Amino acid sequence: GQSLEQPSEVTAVEGAIVQINCTYQTSGFYGLSWYQQHDGGAPTFLSYNALDGLEETGRFSSFLSRSDSYGYLLLQELQMKDSASYFCAAPGTDTGKLIFGQGTTLQVKP
Amino acid sequence: DTGVSQNPRHKITKRGQNVTFRCDPISEHNRLYWYRQTLGQGPEFLTYFQNEAQLEKSRLLSDRFSAERPKGSFSTLEIQRTEQGDSAMYLCASSDSGTFQNEQYFGPGTRLTVT
Repeated sequence: GQSLEQPSEVTAVEGAIVQINCTYQTSGFYGLSWYQQHDGGAPTFLSYNALDGLEETGRFSSFLSRSDSYGYLLLQELQMKDSASYFCAAPGTDTGKLIFGQGTTLQVKP
Repeated sequence: DTGVSQNPRHKITKRGQNVTFRCDPISEHNRLYWYRQTLGQGPEFLTYFQNEAQLEKSRLLSDRFSAERPKGSFSTLEIQRTEQGDSAMYLCASSDSGTFQNEQYFGPGTRLTVT
């Protein structure tokens, strides 16, 4: 089976840095993705790590350690609009179907 | 707008009725996925199409659920004899098998409420 674990809630203030962790157990591993979902909205792709290391995209970075079955999403210079749910997701097979974590709700406070 | 579209956006039905949802993926995407999401949870995979072929179905997809993608373009998801437990957001996503970044483009979803 496959499962991804992430904290349910994180709170931070505007301008701060926050890290959302994700640990996974998968029978086959094809990389780790991160998606953002605002209330009432569709999940939108943020990043993907196929190999170990850090991927940076603007204010967002994502890290993967396959030996530790662990990854994280790093959000810098937090803005109010970053308040949303963040999901780590792993492809379950080579078809690309995604297995999602339960999501981390990020609340950014002024 | 060239994104993924879904219709209807909301559906309220009585238990026991049949419902059908439609998804129009991004036109050049050959992969299409259906997911179900309940409040406070991540999306759960239901089924996957590559072009018109349904290649994978989740065990979550009971016999009351059926999906089609007749011409490899739009897809429909039908739920027969709806139950209250079917109340959820049904999300459609598409991707291009030529990319390996696992970037799926999601539609806005159809929110189903079974009363």
